[in-house]
Amino acid sequence: DIVMTQSPDSLAVSLGERATINCKSSQSVFFSTNNENYLAWYQQKPGQPPKLLIYWASIRESGVPDRFSGSGSGTDFTLTISSLQAADVAVYYCQQYYNTPLTFGGGTKVEIK
Amino acid sequence: EVQLLESGGGLVQPGGSLRLSCAASGFTFSNYAMSWVRQAPGKGLEWVSTISVSGDDTYYADSVKGRFTISRDNSKNSLYLQMNSLRAEDTAVFYCAKGGGNYVLYSFDYWGQGTLLTVSS
Repeated sequence: DIVMTQSPDSLAVSLGERATINCKSSQSVFFSTNNENYLAWYQQKPGQPPKLLIYWASIRESGVPDRFSGSGSGTDFTLTISSLQAADVAVYYCQQYYNTPLTFGGGTKVEIK
Repeated sequence: EVQLLESGGGLVQPGGSLRLSCAASGFTFSNYAMSWVRQAPGKGLEWVSTISVSGDDTYYADSVKGRFTISRDNSKNSLYLQMNSLRAEDTAVFYCAKGGGNYVLYSFDYWGQGTLLTVSS
């Protein structure tokens, strides 16, 4: 099984400042045949289902603000919120879909400092 | 507009059974792999199962293999999860999730609101 490890577990960032969340997979999720990283990022607000933010490691889902960006390849990935807004308070999860079992990171809680 | 509406959750005794349903609308259901993902109270997300577009191929987490069965009825735009031999550790909100493509290895681009399963005596 591919283990997804997120860091930090939580972080507090001032409004307008940058938030960075890291995700590391226990093995590469890069598929050379199609040159894609099978890595997604989700946002979950309290009492709501998760929402897809980023897929293929760096492709922003339609309607997601451009302050959210994903980067990385192979085993190391990053979700960046360039200018934190109050609406971004949530738990963020990375997920690999390279193979089954599909696995999620443990989540990173983002709060306002 | 894509909509996924789960139903069937509730309180079940350990060892009991329950079937969850997910009614899909707003997209061509038969063109997409579908999945169940669960979340125990206060915990993170756990993938449970995925089914291919035809229903011929199914995949399960080790934690539910042999106890849960995923199925779909493309004529009814519906996804199901039959859960048997339920345990206290199965207590969770179960989400129906749509895959981003016709293959099982895609991200989940839409999620339902979830249905709560509680396993307790």
